[in-house]
Amino acid sequence: GAVVSQHPSRVICKSGTSVKIECRSLDFQATTMFWYRQFPKKSLMLMATSNEGSKATYEQGVEKDKFLINHASLTLSTLTVTSAHPEDSSFYICSAPGQGSEKLFFGSGTQLSVL
Amino acid sequence: GQQLNQSPQSMFIQEGEDVSMNCTSSSIFNTWLWYKQEPGEGPVLLIALYKAGELTSNGRLTAQFGITRKDSFLNISASIPSDVGIYFCAGSNNAGNMLTFGGGTRLMVKP
Repeated sequence: GAVVSQHPSRVICKSGTSVKIECRSLDFQATTMFWYRQFPKKSLMLMATSNEGSKATYEQGVEKDKFLINHASLTLSTLTVTSAHPEDSSFYICSAPGQGSEKLFFGSGTQLSVL
Repeated sequence: GQQLNQSPQSMFIQEGEDVSMNCTSSSIFNTWLWYKQEPGEGPVLLIALYKAGELTSNGRLTAQFGITRKDSFLNISASIPSDVGIYFCAGSNNAGNMLTFGGGTRLMVKP
């Protein structure tokens, strides 16, 4: 299957700082990528859809100014958690659809801990 | 909106036993997917189902797309310790590849 690379895998930061998470599709192009958030022992919650060359589409209740998404190329989407606070601590996962299919392939996730 | 009910929420079984979990939906999906997630990792695709009634196997895993298109099950035969993880069902209606996820089934296998 298609490979999606996400990094960093783990980040610890101070409250008030910003953190950037990268998601890359390897060996395939992704005009759309998805960003999820997952709390411990919970299912994945879709945060936003990242669209190459245009603005991201955010799910209801997700702050656009808090979670900045940039999809500058067909293989890279970034999620920046701005002015992070402890309540932003979570597991963030990106995904991209394999070309010509409904299958979603996921990155390995980023565990964010805000002190 | 659409919701997926996945059950059981957790299972604690003996190595060698068979496992069955299922998902039901309040509305129709065109595609069902089953994923496994291990701690600290992203979900990994196990099986994809595209047609109502379709039965697909992947090693010891077997999944079926329900005839009504509102449900799917996943069976694991002869479980082994490395089957431990959280299994998620997901449904898609091809709307931009957006998936709706079930709540997950946490599987624990006792050696």
